[in-house]
Amino acid sequence: GAVVSQHPSWVICKSGTSVKIECRSLDFQATTMFWYRQFPKQSLMLMATSNEGSKATYEQGVEKDKFLINHASLTLSTLTVTSAHPEDSSFYICSARENRDSSGTQYFGPGTRLLVL
Amino acid sequence: AQTVTQSQPEMSVQEAETVTLSCTYDTSESDYYLFWYKQPPSRQMILVIRQEAYKQQNATENRFSVNFQKAAKSFSLKISDSQLGDAAMYFCAYRSANAGGTSYGKLTFGQGTILTVHP
Repeated sequence: GAVVSQHPSWVICKSGTSVKIECRSLDFQATTMFWYRQFPKQSLMLMATSNEGSKATYEQGVEKDKFLINHASLTLSTLTVTSAHPEDSSFYICSARENRDSSGTQYFGPGTRLLVL
Repeated sequence: AQTVTQSQPEMSVQEAETVTLSCTYDTSESDYYLFWYKQPPSRQMILVIRQEAYKQQNATENRFSVNFQKAAKSFSLKISDSQLGDAAMYFCAYRSANAGGTSYGKLTFGQGTILTVHP
């Protein structure tokens, strides 16, 4: 149980284009999902908290107009990197928190490697 | 704000031996959760073990166990009978249980410890 999928796993795009990453909780409902960014051999950096049916909460320094988050259902959140630039190249990871789990344990997707040329 | 510190950037262990990874945290809260996650080369984050702060008993999951010292704000992970598949980066994480706090629900991660397992 508690499986989170993420798609795509790899994406290469040209500078100036937009990329959408999907995060799905496969066997549980998740009102809250999280989006992280990770650089090699570093810790995870929280970008935003995604809440079903409401606006995402962004961490300080994260451009909300650049990283658009939509959480339209209890099993799906999407992150769109708009007008991507080479500096947006990174590893993006989502996580989901099962609604019925009082500990709030986050289960993570396998991540998406984004390369912007 | 809470902070989590992993003071060992890298650790190594011989296969079948035991290794302990350190984690300390700083908080003024009394109710919270602590987690250890593993990130192997595939970069998939995997939950290893979790501990509720109100529970005095240390959590165990097969070969993985924790030494939770609430007063000392210490949460170390012990891996017994280490296996090659245990090689990964390990992250300690803190989550507030205070529903009214601004950081509620968020995980605060440590810097990570890279564990190498030698055959």
